[in-house]
Amino acid sequence: NAGVMQNPRHLVRRRGQEARLRCSPMKGHSHVYWYRQLPEEGLKFMVYLQKENIIDESGMPKERFSAEFPKEGPSILRIQQVVRGDSAAYFCASSPPPTSTQYFGPGTRLLVL
Amino acid sequence: GESVGLHLPTLSVQEGDNSIINCAYSNSASDYFIWYKQESGKGPQFIIDIRSNMDKRQGQRVTVLLNKTVKHLSLQIAATQPGDSAVYFCAENEGGATNKLIFGTGTLLAVQP
Repeated sequence: NAGVMQNPRHLVRRRGQEARLRCSPMKGHSHVYWYRQLPEEGLKFMVYLQKENIIDESGMPKERFSAEFPKEGPSILRIQQVVRGDSAAYFCASSPPPTSTQYFGPGTRLLVL
Repeated sequence: GESVGLHLPTLSVQEGDNSIINCAYSNSASDYFIWYKQESGKGPQFIIDIRSNMDKRQGQRVTVLLNKTVKHLSLQIAATQPGDSAVYFCAENEGGATNKLIFGTGTLLAVQP
């Protein structure tokens, strides 16, 4: 059973470009979470999604950030018009029922030049 | 806001010794706690969890203790090995519909051979 998969593992963007981060949950998991980690800090919750629904986006910046988890395909975290402060590691986690353990992917490290 | 914090940012131990990593949480409504291990360049890896109706749980070489009176969580690693070197995070789940995890800033465990 493959774990949570994320791609790309590393992404370099110039200021003003768009970044698209993908997450495929573990097989059988229908709940996806996105977290952001700045260097030498803990992970910060961004958004919680189920298939075709955003359940909690309280940790997501109001501007430029969006997330989706379509009926088919991976979950996408989209950052428009990136700025240097968006540079961070973005982790996706998935769980079967929502109150179960969240299993994390390897992360996407975004660098904005 | 509510937060989870760690007492020791760095812990250095000799190989073979036992390690104890501590964590304080502030939200008395949290009902589920997890310890994650994060190696450099990787995503958080689940180690062990505990629910608020328990005060101790054991796994392979690891034990988690929960003291709800003082809102304290600890991770004990027996016979620490070089492969245990990593950053350890405690995380709390406040329950409810969101299921988001609140992470502490992490403790770096350095195992000396």
